[in-house]
Parts: sequence; C-alpha cells; structure tokens
Amino acid sequence: GAGVSQSPSNKVTEKGKDVELRCDPISGHTALYWYRQSLGQGLEFLIYFQGNSAPDKSGLPSDRFSAERTGGSVSTLTIQRTQQEDSAVYLCASSPGPGLTRGIQYFGAGTRLSVL
Amino acid sequence: GDSVTQMEGPVTLSEEAFLTINCTYTATGYPSLFWYVQYPGEGLQLLLKATKADDKGSNKGFEATYRKETTSFHLEKGSVQVSDSAVYFCALSSSNTGNQFYFGTGTSLTVIP
Repeated sequence: GAGVSQSPSNKVTEKGKDVELRCDPISGHTALYWYRQSLGQGLEFLIYFQGNSAPDKSGLPSDRFSAERTGGSVSTLTIQRTQQEDSAVYLCASSPGPGLTRGIQYFGAGTRLSVL
Repeated sequence: GDSVTQMEGPVTLSEEAFLTINCTYTATGYPSLFWYVQYPGEGLQLLLKATKADDKGSNKGFEATYRKETTSFHLEKGSVQVSDSAVYFCALSSSNTGNQFYFGTGTSLTVIP
C-alpha cells in the first residue's frame, strides 16, 4: 500500500531483552517521526529525522533508546534492555516536508510493545 | 518551549449535541495548528489544520479557528454523530522548532444514540 507501514504490529518481550521496531514511510517523504503512546496518555515525541540533517533526538527518554534511518527511507527504533515501563504503542509518522503540505503527518498503525 | 494544552476528557454527548473541545497553545513563532483524530482501532489521521491567524480549518462538519489573540484552536461541531466517537488530539508545528510536532494529551469523545 501507499501508507506508512510499521512492523511488527505486536511485540511481546521479556524484561532485559532488546527489541527493534521498523517503520517504512511513504515514498518521497523527507520527514519521519517516532512517538510513544502510553495507556491513557497523549503522544510523546521521541525522535525526528528530516532529510539528511542530523536527527532531533531530544525526546528519547534514555540512552537505551536509539533510532536510525537508512538511505532516507526505512527507520528502525531500537530499545535495549527493555523495562516494563517501556510497554506502550510506538507510532511512526512521515511527512512530505516543507511547503504547503508542511506539517501534515501520516501515521502508521503502530507497534504495541508489551514487556513482561 | 512550544506546547499545547488540551481539554481533559472523557467527554460523553448525546447524538446531535453540540461539541467543543478546547485547545490552547504556547509558541515562540507562528505555528501551524492541527486537529488529529484516532478512531477506535485505527491510526491517527489528520482532521483539519490552519496555518495562520484567523484561518478556519474544516472537515467532516468539524471546524476550528486559529485565534492568535487568545492562542486558541478550539474544535467544534454543531451536531455530533455516533461515528464521531474517537480520541481527538490538538497539535502544533513550527518552523522555529525544526517542524517538530507538539501534541496535546488527547480528548476521548463518546457519542451515545
């Protein structure tokens, strides 16, 4: 399809394990965002990629969290040594970038992470 | 820094009632303002937006006006339907912050027949 694709849709892991979450943005979109949505909470910004610029990592909650975006397309969010408080829905969104469409984000369905 | 404050929920209304969900913002520059909606079991999607003061965004019977003087972007609908039951998020984006987005905490709306 033409939308933002995230995988896996659900991930159950044991405390202390590492997990990788993948995001395939809409082709041609230069901006990519990761958010975390905890139960009953709003969206918590994690990291933002724009083109070839250095990413804005100001929202990452700890050094256990990292993200990469390869070739300006696919992105992977990695959580090392997972903790129970990491359990949440992780959302990826992409945006066309500057211009009239600036600011419109297209969201994936999310990855629901459960840390046991 | 930039931020969005959104009306707490949950909100429960009867069908055909009038809806207002309040949203106010703090921004150093001239942000664009958005309402996103998340229907049950679905991902977030853009509902409407406004890019400058006094602009009115509208879609699916919903409206919101960008009020610079009151730093507000309240969402309204004259007659809600059961299908409007969802979580609504106010958001802003500013070129001053590298197009980073700031979302409100979301307001859950349930419309009962």
